Amino acid sequence: GENVEQHPSTLSVQEGDSAVIKCTYSDSASNYFPWYKQELGKGPQLIIDIRSNVGEKKDQRIAVTLNKTAKHFSLHITETQPEDSAVYFCAATSGGSYIPTFGRGTSLIVHP
Amino acid sequence: KAGVTQTPRYLIKTRGQQVTLSCSPISGHRSVSWYQQTPGQGLQFLFEYFSETQRNKGNFPGRFSGRQFSNSRSEMNVSTLELGDSALYLCASNHPEVNEQFFGPGTRLTVL
Repeated sequence: GENVEQHPSTLSVQEGDSAVIKCTYSDSASNYFPWYKQELGKGPQLIIDIRSNVGEKKDQRIAVTLNKTAKHFSLHITETQPEDSAVYFCAATSGGSYIPTFGRGTSLIVHP
Repeated sequence: KAGVTQTPRYLIKTRGQQVTLSCSPISGHRSVSWYQQTPGQGLQFLFEYFSETQRNKGNFPGRFSGRQFSNSRSEMNVSTLELGDSALYLCASNHPEVNEQFFGPGTRLTVL
């Protein structure tokens, strides 16, 4: 089955810095890669996603890149703000499945 | 459009009891997935329902079961509760056309 590795587990940055979270996956059939943000006491919220026919996608301060050959995908957050502090999860899904395999999460802490 | 709702938000039970959790998906979404989230195991897939039928099942014991009603609302049940069942149980509403998931706030179950 699919295996998703996520690094780092904790990331501490100063407000205004950039943050990068990296994930690798094992199943070459995976073709949909969502990223979720989970704040304390809430469920995960879909913040951005990318499909395997696209190499990069950007939405304001967040961007995701995908390297299908290396089976890597990354989340980039620029100009971080304290409200970006949360746990971020990457996931990989194959075909039309609704069953993603999740990474273990990255706790992002943005210091004012 | 209303989001995913889950009830109750918090629940305390004792070992051996059973519990039923409820989820109402986004209007128009006919597929619902359930996940267990714990600090040790992360986000683990329990099962997925589509049009009142269980379409996929994760690797959980038979004590975990679910069902879906004709209005797409779903319930999950855990019988003979164990201490290890303490977790955040998340319901996800699955987009009908693409494999995007939208999570509810979760039900925090504590087993004493």
